[in-house]
Amino acid sequence: AQKVTQAQTEISVVEKEDVTLDCVYETRDTTYYLFWYKQPPSGELVFLIRRNSFDEQNEISGRYSWNFQKSTSSFNFTITASQVVDSAVYFCALSIYNQGGKLIFGQGTELSVKP
Amino acid sequence: EAEVAQSPRYKITEKSQAVAFWCDPISGHATLYWYRQILGQGPELLVQFQDESVVDDSQLPKDRFSAERLKGVDSTLKIQPAELGDSAMYLCASSLNVGGGKDEQYFGPGTRLTVT
Repeated sequence: AQKVTQAQTEISVVEKEDVTLDCVYETRDTTYYLFWYKQPPSGELVFLIRRNSFDEQNEISGRYSWNFQKSTSSFNFTITASQVVDSAVYFCALSIYNQGGKLIFGQGTELSVKP
Repeated sequence: EAEVAQSPRYKITEKSQAVAFWCDPISGHATLYWYRQILGQGPELLVQFQDESVVDDSQLPKDRFSAERLKGVDSTLKIQPAELGDSAMYLCASSLNVGGGKDEQYFGPGTRLTVT
């Protein structure tokens, strides 16, 4: 069975601190995709990034960076110099190749960035 | 920028009543998903359409829930009768579905249902 675990339920930081959100996934499939979504208070999920299982290169986009390690089945997300606008719930999700595109979500990490 | 539309945004209903939610996906997106998100949890898939056909409804409580996408465009999710445990956010998403499961899904703002 496939599963995504986000062990951190809530994280609170002060503005300008760096913060890492952890994601651990389980699957026996060799081809899969990992995603991060942001859910602000307004409710809609916003896509942040997708990685496929064959690409372990880390990625950086502005203040955001992602570290994918197949050896530990982890896909962690780091925000550098956090800002109040980063406050949201962040979800890690897994999609298995050729299973229709269904996303399997973790329980989410609520990030609160205080000024 | 194209968006997924959902209505209503909020719905309060009494248990045993019927309730319906509507979703209009991004134009050209063949795949439409309905997810349910219970407070404090991640979304879980209820039903997935490819054009007008259901491709996955394994987690849909079919005794009370139904979903349709008659012309392969917009979709309706219905609950009859509603139960207290149905209180949740109902999210609609769409994707191009070029294949394989790698597509980015675009989510609507959701419908927050409260059953009293």
